[in-house]
Amino acid sequence: GESVGLHLPTLSVQEGDNSIINCAYSNSASDYFIWYKQESGKGPQFIIDIRSNMDKRQGQRVTVLLNKTVKHLSLQIAATQPGDSAVYFCAETPWGGYNKLIFGAGTRLAVHP
Amino acid sequence: DAGVTQSPTHLIKTRGQQVTLRCSPKSGHDTVSWYQQALGQGPQFIFQYYEEEERQRGNFPDRFSGHQFPNYSSELNVNALLLGDSALYLCASSSPWAGYEQYFGPGTRLTVT
Repeated sequence: GESVGLHLPTLSVQEGDNSIINCAYSNSASDYFIWYKQESGKGPQFIIDIRSNMDKRQGQRVTVLLNKTVKHLSLQIAATQPGDSAVYFCAETPWGGYNKLIFGAGTRLAVHP
Repeated sequence: DAGVTQSPTHLIKTRGQQVTLRCSPKSGHDTVSWYQQALGQGPQFIFQYYEEEERQRGNFPDRFSGHQFPNYSSELNVNALLLGDSALYLCASSSPWAGYEQYFGPGTRLTVT
């Protein structure tokens, strides 16, 4: 069935380092991919998205890379800050799925001073 | 401009009871999706409402039902509650005229005892 999974359940980094969070997806027909950040007690917050016709997209301190050949998605966070500590989810929207999101289990990012 | 709001924040129910959760979408959004997030897992799509009709449904039993009102707000109803229904219920709003991005509310924490 459709699934979006993550390689690492927990990632610990030092403040100031770059972080890379990885995600594998199985539905090759997916059209749109999104990274969400979820802090404790809050709903998921949109970080960055990428369409299936793109390989890379950059935002402020974040970059998303999409490798359709191996069905892999990654989120790179530059100069990680304590405020980046949260659970990160990748999600996909199947083509024609009316924005239905399929989420993975999440990766917890812990930033240490 | 208020974002997505949900009520109540927390709720405790007993097995077999029924519950109604409420969601008001972000201003300008006409589509509401509901997700269930069990502890330590990613959100799971329940269903989506558009133009007061259920447009798409995930793999949830008929005990889960919903409604969308003319002002685009929405309710999620769960009948015959089970212990396994304990979760964070998230509402997300979007609009086909505003791209793919979905905005999530803070969620309602439901505990079934």
